Amino acid sequence: AQKITQTQPGMFVQEKEAVTLDCTYDTSDPSYGLFWYKQPSSGEMIFLIYQGSYDQQNATEGRYSLNFQKARKSANLVISASQLGDSAMYFCAMREFSGGYNKLIFGAGTRLAVHP
Amino acid sequence: DAGVTQSPTHLIKTRGQHVTLRCSPISGHKSVSWYQQVLGQGPQFIFQYYEKEERGRGNFPDRFSARQFPNYSSELNVNALLLGDSALYLCASTSTLESTDTQYFGPGTRLTVL
Repeated sequence: AQKITQTQPGMFVQEKEAVTLDCTYDTSDPSYGLFWYKQPSSGEMIFLIYQGSYDQQNATEGRYSLNFQKARKSANLVISASQLGDSAMYFCAMREFSGGYNKLIFGAGTRLAVHP
Repeated sequence: DAGVTQSPTHLIKTRGQHVTLRCSPISGHKSVSWYQQVLGQGPQFIFQYYEKEERGRGNFPDRFSARQFPNYSSELNVNALLLGDSALYLCASTSTLESTDTQYFGPGTRLTVL
């Protein structure tokens, strides 16, 4: 079975600094997709960035980048120039294809606090 | 364009009651998925619907059911509510035209069972 592990329950960072949130995954499928979502206290799960298993380059979306190390099965999220509004829960998820449909398997999440 | 919408925002029920949660996907998205997020955990997959047909079901009891309508909106029904059903219920929609199959989530419905 596929599995996502986020080992950092909580992280804090100074405003304007960069921070890395860790994610490791386990799968035997050669084709998979990895996602990062942000969940503010309001509850909505906001899509941030996607990395496909066959993508040659690390994904980037504005201040978000994904440090994808396929051999180590890790997909760490890097947030550059942190802002106070980045304070939230962050979830790593993997797309699992099973029985003709895709579903997301989520990690336990990392709570990020950005300090002024 | 409007994102995924869900109603109601909050709901309080008592044990044994029934609840219906509603979701409208992003315009043009034909696939809807439901997730349950218990406090302190990541979301867990409940159902996926595509073109009004159930495509997949997670490890949830038969008290949980869902359906999708011709306009692609969806309902999640939970019967005989238990205290453990208290959670944030998230709906997500997907465009089958996107190769990444990215799921876009709504704001969720926070259900409290007393």
